[in-house]
Amino acid sequence: GENVEQHPSTLSVQEGDSAVIKCTYSDSASNYFPWYKQELGKRPQLIIDIRSNVGEKKDQRIAVTLNKTAKHFSLHITETQPEDSAVYFCAASMGGAGGSYIPTFGRGTSLIVHP
Amino acid sequence: DVKVTQSSRYLVKRTGEKVFLECVQDMDHENMFWYRQDPGLGLRLIYFSYDVKMKEKGDIPEGYSVSREKKERFSLILESASTNQTSMYLCASSLRGEQYFGPGTRLTVT
Repeated sequence: GENVEQHPSTLSVQEGDSAVIKCTYSDSASNYFPWYKQELGKRPQLIIDIRSNVGEKKDQRIAVTLNKTAKHFSLHITETQPEDSAVYFCAASMGGAGGSYIPTFGRGTSLIVHP
Repeated sequence: DVKVTQSSRYLVKRTGEKVFLECVQDMDHENMFWYRQDPGLGLRLIYFSYDVKMKEKGDIPEGYSVSREKKERFSLILESASTNQTSMYLCASSLRGEQYFGPGTRLTVT
């Protein structure tokens, strides 16, 4: 089955710095790569995703890059703010019958943004 | 706006009890999932369902079962709760890959 490795497990930055979280996956058939943000005491929520037919996607201060050859994808957050502090999870999945995607999650990165 | 709800936010049960965790979604999604979340281990898939009465084991199904009698409702059952099942349980429904999570149930087994 799929295996997703996520690094680092903890990331501490100063407000205004950039943050990068990296994930690698093992199954070359995976074609959907979402990122979820989980604030303390809250549910995970999708912040950005990328499908295998593109190499990069941006949404304001966040971006995701995908390298299918190397089987890794990364989350980039620029101009970090204290409200970016949260646990971030990457996932990899493959579209199956009936549109089902069964994700395998990374173990999470705790991002701390110091004011 | 997708809404996924879970029957309890906090639950305390004794070892050996049968425990039911319920999840309801209101967006007519085909796919529903149960995860447990433990510090440092991320989200681990227990079971998923891609249609009514259909279920598939995830990565850690031992000690759990599920039921999906109606499309909107997916239940997780702990047949005989044990202390190592103390955890946060998250339900999700999914459309084209995006997961919509419920608020979670923090279960403590004493």
